[in-house]
Amino acid sequence: EAGVAQSPRYKIIEKRQSVAFWCNPISGHATLYWYQQILGQGPKLLIQFQNNGVVDDSQLPKDRFSAERLKGVDSTLKIQPAKLEDSAVYLCASSERGDSYEQYFGPGTRLTVT
Amino acid sequence: AQSVSQHNHHVILSEAASLELGCNYSYGGTVNLFWYVQYPGQHLQLLLKYFSGDPLVKGIKGFEAEFIKSKFSFNLRKPSVQWSDTAEYFCAVNDYKLSFGAGTTVTVRA
Repeated sequence: EAGVAQSPRYKIIEKRQSVAFWCNPISGHATLYWYQQILGQGPKLLIQFQNNGVVDDSQLPKDRFSAERLKGVDSTLKIQPAKLEDSAVYLCASSERGDSYEQYFGPGTRLTVT
Repeated sequence: AQSVSQHNHHVILSEAASLELGCNYSYGGTVNLFWYVQYPGQHLQLLLKYFSGDPLVKGIKGFEAEFIKSKFSFNLRKPSVQWSDTAEYFCAVNDYKLSFGAGTTVTVRA
């Protein structure tokens, strides 16, 4: 089965610029997650979607981050404007359903903000 | 959300040595427990999981983990490591969302 796809794999931008990441989950997975992983830390959940509805976005910095999941499949995560502290790997994951089910992770997008 | 502590930041071993990585979480209740591994250049993948039942769970590549409810712990073990076990290991706990520890980098010397 195909895994979680993400693009781009790497992105370098200057502070105050905007950037968008794309994720395509495993086919049939209802739940999609975006995580931020800063160097030396574990992944931190930014937002969770169930189909195309938001389940949890309590840790998403909404003044600069936004995410959508149109039609309950692909998702995009946007940062506008970027700050230096946004430098991190952005991971997308999906699971068959929410709650405790196993999550499958994509390769991530490594963002460097200069 | 849970706070997850991994005891070691970096572990260096020789091949055939035994490995044990500690993991503790902050409070009880019904939780599901996971160990994820990230090999160099690869994405996070599941090593093993505990949902219920036998507190000693076996995963891929000879890894096992023991859930001790009274200690809020879920330690990972492997009796004899190989060079290919060099990776970063993350403990994760799910009550209503998945919380990760900071990770332990394991370096196995040939």
